[in-house]
Amino acid sequence: DAKTTQPPSMDCAEGRAANLPCNHSTISGNEYVYWYRQIHSQGPQYIIHGLKNNETNEMASLIITEDRKSSTLILPHATLRDTAVYYCIVGGDTNAGKSTFGDGTTLTVKP
Amino acid sequence: DADVTQTPRNRITKTGKRIMLECSQTKGHDRMYWYRQDPGLGLRLIYYSFDVKDINKGEISDGYSVSRQAQAKFSLSLESAIPNQTALYFCATSDLEFAGTGELFFGEGSRLTVL
Repeated sequence: DAKTTQPPSMDCAEGRAANLPCNHSTISGNEYVYWYRQIHSQGPQYIIHGLKNNETNEMASLIITEDRKSSTLILPHATLRDTAVYYCIVGGDTNAGKSTFGDGTTLTVKP
Repeated sequence: DADVTQTPRNRITKTGKRIMLECSQTKGHDRMYWYRQDPGLGLRLIYYSFDVKDINKGEISDGYSVSRQAQAKFSLSLESAIPNQTALYFCATSDLEFAGTGELFFGEGSRLTVL
């Protein structure tokens, strides 16, 4: 099963872009990269996902390297409410149900 | 109302007691999951079910059992609770396992304390 590696913590100034990296060097060809965030101890919330191409939605952008071994989640204009733990996970039909949430990155947005 | 509802939200119990955590969903999803989260750590998969007749062990199934009573209901049981099972438990659903738009939808969590 593909595993991910994320830095344990990051800080970002309010209004600036937050760039959260994730390494997933063992990702297989049909596995997607998913990002979730967890605010305090609430249930994790889906942010975005991608397979090969870069993706953007109303919350964030996802940049996936050409070799797919790493990705970056971009919050373009971070606010204090974006302070949370961000999880990068990989998953696909070949390892259905076994995707692992690592310890994530705690992002602190500062005024 | 929440799409994925967990009950109870908080429970304090004693060592050796049997505990059941319940999860119900209104999303119509076939796939349901139970995760455990210890303080400061990520989520670990306990059990998952792809339909009513399907039950699969996850990463940390020892000491737990599950029941999929209906498409919408998935219960987690601790037959004899022990203190190191004190944790935050999450139920989740998905339409497809991480394929296409198969994102996970989480409940708000059940905090269990075993004394």
